[in-house]
Amino acid sequence: EVQLVESGGGLVQPGRSLRLSCAASGFTFHDYAVHWVRQAPGKGLEWVSGISWNSRNIGYADSVKGRFTISRDNAKNSLYLQMNSLRTEDTALYFCTKENFVSGPTGLDSWGQGTLVTVSS
Amino acid sequence: IQMTQSPSSLSASMGDRITISCRASQGIANYLNWYQQKPGKAPKLLVFATSSLQSGVPSRFSGSRSGTDFTLTINSLQSEDFATYFCQQSYITPWTFGQGTKVEIK
Repeated sequence: EVQLVESGGGLVQPGRSLRLSCAASGFTFHDYAVHWVRQAPGKGLEWVSGISWNSRNIGYADSVKGRFTISRDNAKNSLYLQMNSLRTEDTALYFCTKENFVSGPTGLDSWGQGTLVTVSS
Repeated sequence: IQMTQSPSSLSASMGDRITISCRASQGIANYLNWYQQKPGKAPKLLVFATSSLQSGVPSRFSGSRSGTDFTLTINSLQSEDFATYFCQQSYITPWTFGQGTKVEIK
């Protein structure tokens, strides 16, 4: 069974940093691209960032580019999101997700339960 | 790429056939996916690559495309289908989602 377990969320002041982690199990982690998607309270889904299986291809939403850094450690079956210069608008539930197939971007088929990040003074 | 989803909400009865639309601001080929989300839960992938049904998803769900217009159809709405639905393009980063369509019981 595929499992994605996020951690690292919490309450942080504007301008500070936070590092999210996602522990993956139940599938061959190093074969798949993985992503972070967030959802502000009561709002829709926003793709944040994604990273290919070998870390060569990385993308970011315009809203986080230059502030957030995605990375992965295939030896530890883990995905990370380093979030710097946090803003109140970054407040959201952050989901770790994996792509459906190794062969291409065919949707996000497995999701964690999310970790809540609250940016407030 | 902007994804414009409509309607933002709809009311329907069990057994109804409903359609949800999603328009891309530019061509995205067939790189369009649909998700269902229930309150307090993570999204669930329903349809990928415009019209391929994800494993385990009932056949009353289907997806189609006409140019840059995409449609999710649910035939014979069931109680468990009342939820919020999102489209998402995976053609190019940054990936983008539609605003969502909340399907409520009439």
